[in-house]
Order: sequence, then structure tokens, then C-alpha cells
Amino acid sequence: SAVISQKPSRDICQRGTSLTIQCQVDSQVTMMFWYRQQPGQSLTLIATANQGSEATYESGFVIDKFPISRPNLTFSTLTVSNMSPEDSSIYLCSVPYGEETQYFGPGTRLLVL
Amino acid sequence: GDSVTQMEGPVTLSEEAFLTINCTYTATGYPSLFWYVQYPGEGLQLLLKATKADDKGSNKGFEATYRKETTSFHLEKGSVQVSDSAVYFCALSSRFSGGYQKVTFGTGTKLQVIP
Repeated sequence: SAVISQKPSRDICQRGTSLTIQCQVDSQVTMMFWYRQQPGQSLTLIATANQGSEATYESGFVIDKFPISRPNLTFSTLTVSNMSPEDSSIYLCSVPYGEETQYFGPGTRLLVL
Repeated sequence: GDSVTQMEGPVTLSEEAFLTINCTYTATGYPSLFWYVQYPGEGLQLLLKATKADDKGSNKGFEATYRKETTSFHLEKGSVQVSDSAVYFCALSSRFSGGYQKVTFGTGTKLQVIP
């Protein structure tokens, strides 16, 4: 199994500011995924981050709002830019493991005031 | 596109009661199916999985059988405990060209077990 850590675990931010979330994996992986879980909702895939290339964003998510970096095979960051209260969510990173399974980080709980 | 539908919660049961959480899916091809669990204040954990029709996934007393004919993957447990209180997510995984893997989640069902 993969061990995934995220920083910060939670934060309270003011609207209009930006927050960068870090995701660290204990093994090298080609793909990393970023999800958003809005209060009381399911997980929605934001983007797929491959090392050495631009992230691939899902419909409804854009790079200007959620820039992603993937500098190496064990690390990625997601920035939530120009935040509004609607961005209050849990943000999770995950990595594929085996052919079908994904392992998830513990999540970053973000509250925007 | 792919989709997962699961029963709405919250589901409240007494300890030692039988649990069923319904899940149906729509997908092209032959997806793998999963149940994830999210305990209060924690991230998602994989609970069990099944990768082909008629497979039964099981873990910690929970079971689910991949039913292709009914496109279902219902979660069951014979005797729930207070410690099973959590949100349960049904999910499917599809593989696209180039090995890209995408997971589609249901909306989650909150289970509350009372002593």
C-alpha cells in the first residue's frame, strides 16, 4: 500500500487569498489525482497530474483557479486561488495502486470566510 | 458517461442489526467496483473491491457481490457495530486508453449505529 500525507490538514482562509496544498507519497507514481469533496457531497475529480507534463483538468475546473505542480514522482501541489466561501471543501489527493485501486490522502479541510 | 447511484442516507441502525446499502452503476465496458469508507474526520479508505462479474469483495465483515445482470454492488454486513458509523461511498473504476484510470463516486451514505 501507499502512504500519502497532505499539508496542511486544515486551514481557515479569507476570501480572495490563495492556499497551496501539498501531497507527498512514499513511493514513485506516474499519476496523481486531486479531488474536491464539498460539504455533504461526494468526491469530484479536479485534475490528473502527471510528472513532466501539464495537468489534465476535468470539466468545470480550470488551471487559473486550481494550478497544479508535479515537480517529481513523489510530490504534487494544488493551489486554490482567489478563494471564495464556495471553495470550502475537503481536498484530497490520490494515487493509483495496482490496476484499479486508488489510495487517498487524509485530506485538507478548507474553510473560506 | 459513467455514474454511480447509491441509497440516500442517513441510515440509522441499532447495534447488531443487518445492514444493506444499495448501489447501482452505469458504465461502458467492464468496470471494477469498490466500496470506500470515510470515518469522521478522516480520509477515504478502501473497504473492499470486485473486479469482475460474480466476484465477491469482503473485508471487516462487510461483503458486496458484483452483479452484472442487475448492474449492482450492494454493501451488506450481518451485524453492525457502533464503530461502523461512517460515510460509505460506492465507486467504479474505468480504464481509458493509455492506462488512464478514472474513479467515479456515488454521493455517499451516512451510517449511524446506536448502542
